[in-house]
Amino acid sequence: DVKVTQSSRYLVKRTGEKVFLECVQDMDHENMFWYRQDPGLGLRLIYFSYDVKMKEKGDIPEGYSVSREKKERFSLILESASTNQTSMYLCASSRGIGMGNTIYFGEGSWLTVV
Amino acid sequence: ILNVEQSPQSLHVQEGDSTNFTCSFPSSNFYALHWYRWETAKSPEALFVMTLNGDEKKKGRISATLNTKEGYSYLYIKGSQPEDSATYLCAFKNDYKLSFGAGTTVTVRA
Repeated sequence: DVKVTQSSRYLVKRTGEKVFLECVQDMDHENMFWYRQDPGLGLRLIYFSYDVKMKEKGDIPEGYSVSREKKERFSLILESASTNQTSMYLCASSRGIGMGNTIYFGEGSWLTVV
Repeated sequence: ILNVEQSPQSLHVQEGDSTNFTCSFPSSNFYALHWYRWETAKSPEALFVMTLNGDEKKKGRISATLNTKEGYSYLYIKGSQPEDSATYLCAFKNDYKLSFGAGTTVTVRA
């Protein structure tokens, strides 16, 4: 069975803290993604990676960075957490970039910044 | 950010009734249209990936149609059951990114 695992499901962090959200996939997928979900808005793409050590900015990269040192792991980093980064974060992966490639999601990480 | 709109935002349906809702997307530069079901406390799960104008896909009681020329897709649920309660997301694919709509939340009342 396909599996995308987000290790931290619920976090509470203080403003200014550095935050790491970790994601691991076991499907040998080339592509990995980080989205955030806020009420009334669609999933918004923060960053994605199509290969190890490669990264591309999504639609809302400000305040975030990412790391992909191994194919199976994609980390989202909040360099200095702010209250407007309180949100639900979803990691996802897919094989290749073909038109019909399904994206597989993790269960999400709920981050509260106080 | 591409404009993908879903309507209605939410709907309530009686068990056994059928329902449908809409996803509209840009009609230019179309690659694919995805539908996902997202149940509370679970991961979004892929329902359909549609790539051709006129495509119709079916999975059990759920089906979807696609019109790429006018930029819309319908999702139908026939004979709704409580387990169909979820948020249904559509996503428009152009080059290698997906742009998601805000979702339609379906609540099926027993």
